[in-house]
Amino acid sequence: QSALTQPASVSGSPGQSITIPCTGTSSDVGGYNYVSWYQQHPGKAPKLMIYVVSHRPSGISNRFSGSKSGNTASLTISGLQAEDEADYYCSSFTTSSTSLVFGGGTKLTVL
Amino acid sequence: EVQLVESGGGLVKPGGSLRLSCAASGFTFTNAWLTWVRQAPGKGLEWVGRSKGKTDGGTVEYAAPVKGRFTISRDASKNTLYLQINSLKTEDTAVYYCTAEDNWNYAPYIWGQGTLVTVSS
Repeated sequence: QSALTQPASVSGSPGQSITIPCTGTSSDVGGYNYVSWYQQHPGKAPKLMIYVVSHRPSGISNRFSGSKSGNTASLTISGLQAEDEADYYCSSFTTSSTSLVFGGGTKLTVL
Repeated sequence: EVQLVESGGGLVKPGGSLRLSCAASGFTFTNAWLTWVRQAPGKGLEWVGRSKGKTDGGTVEYAAPVKGRFTISRDASKNTLYLQINSLKTEDTAVYYCTAEDNWNYAPYIWGQGTLVTVSS
């Protein structure tokens, strides 16, 4: 069982927006702003999309945005494109011995 | 070009040992925070451990499930990070990724291509 909870799957049509939630506790998501999001295409390494809740690394489309409220962080993808179809993982710093915890991942299907 | 390249994976019997390597290039290795993350087949990502950079004390941290069996080390002369895995279990079967993160945001932003470790008799 993953430390952070994500829905197993979400879907949307091209051009639409979707939001993926990531729920933790006050020891991780709720207590710190070190929340990140990763995109992983099949057979590829993960790619950092969002860090520190809402910051985008250089080169990441502004269609990707992040936010946080309480113990839940969210990734929103607007203007869905076929290439966005992938697995998405959240992560957070945690005060537990693990230091960094990941969500179980969400498979995004673009219909 | 900023790059991490893992090697050393393979098929190992339960109870065996393996050492994974991660060759770094394109950034200041000595001060980088370097992390191992693994992914079991068809499963999610799992943090394994971290080697902090020299300016941050060079400390090493491990996830509870691997503490005592896994050892992370680095050789600055070779710009290489290592992961020594002992007493391998079938549940250690995974792709092992080497990553680099800034020393303040706990967000791995450089990822290697991964190396597959299969533990099976």
